[in-house]
Amino acid sequence: SQTIHQWPATLVQPVGSPLSLECTVEGTSNPNLYWYRQAAGRGLQLLFYSVGIGQISSEVPQNLSASRPQDRQFILSSKKLLLSDSGFYLCAWSVRGLDTGELFFGEGSRLTVL
Amino acid sequence: GQNIDQPTEMTATEGAIVQINCTYQTSGFNGLFWYQQHAGEAPTFLSYNVLDGLEEKGRFSSFLSRSKGYSYLLLKELQMKDSASYLCAVSDSNYQLIWGAGTKLIIKP
Repeated sequence: SQTIHQWPATLVQPVGSPLSLECTVEGTSNPNLYWYRQAAGRGLQLLFYSVGIGQISSEVPQNLSASRPQDRQFILSSKKLLLSDSGFYLCAWSVRGLDTGELFFGEGSRLTVL
Repeated sequence: GQNIDQPTEMTATEGAIVQINCTYQTSGFNGLFWYQQHAGEAPTFLSYNVLDGLEEKGRFSSFLSRSKGYSYLLLKELQMKDSASYLCAVSDSNYQLIWGAGTKLIIKP
């Protein structure tokens, strides 16, 4: 069966510090991978998605970046965090080529920037 | 632009029935999803509709009318554990999901 894990689950970071969130998928190959952010009381905002190693599409211009060094690994990074980066970050995957586009989510990472 | 609308919050009584509506305007349509999200947790899949009509799955049912750009999620025999946010999402012409802000459902005993 397929599983997805992301970490850390919770982190508190000062403004201007770097960020690295990691996500790995197991039990499937060539998944589409996604990073979403969810602010309190808001819908899911797509940040990045990837259809393959080294292929990253950015949906929202900001101080965040993403990388996909391996087929089933997706990393969200920042060199200098802003207060507005606080939120609930979700990694997700979908089956490439599946018409429905159903997403499977990781456990989420709650980031508080102080 | 693309838009998904659903009520911000609803309250219902344990054992009752509640209907959560979702209207959408998107560039293309490749299906509509409902996800459940408990506070502090990731969303989990509930249902998928791509054709008009009602899909029933246990206590939960989902309805779609593509001509009206409308869907609803029907929850029967409500239980306290159904207290959660319910997210409506539409798969657009590029199979990207467009998300509503979610409906927070509060169940009272």
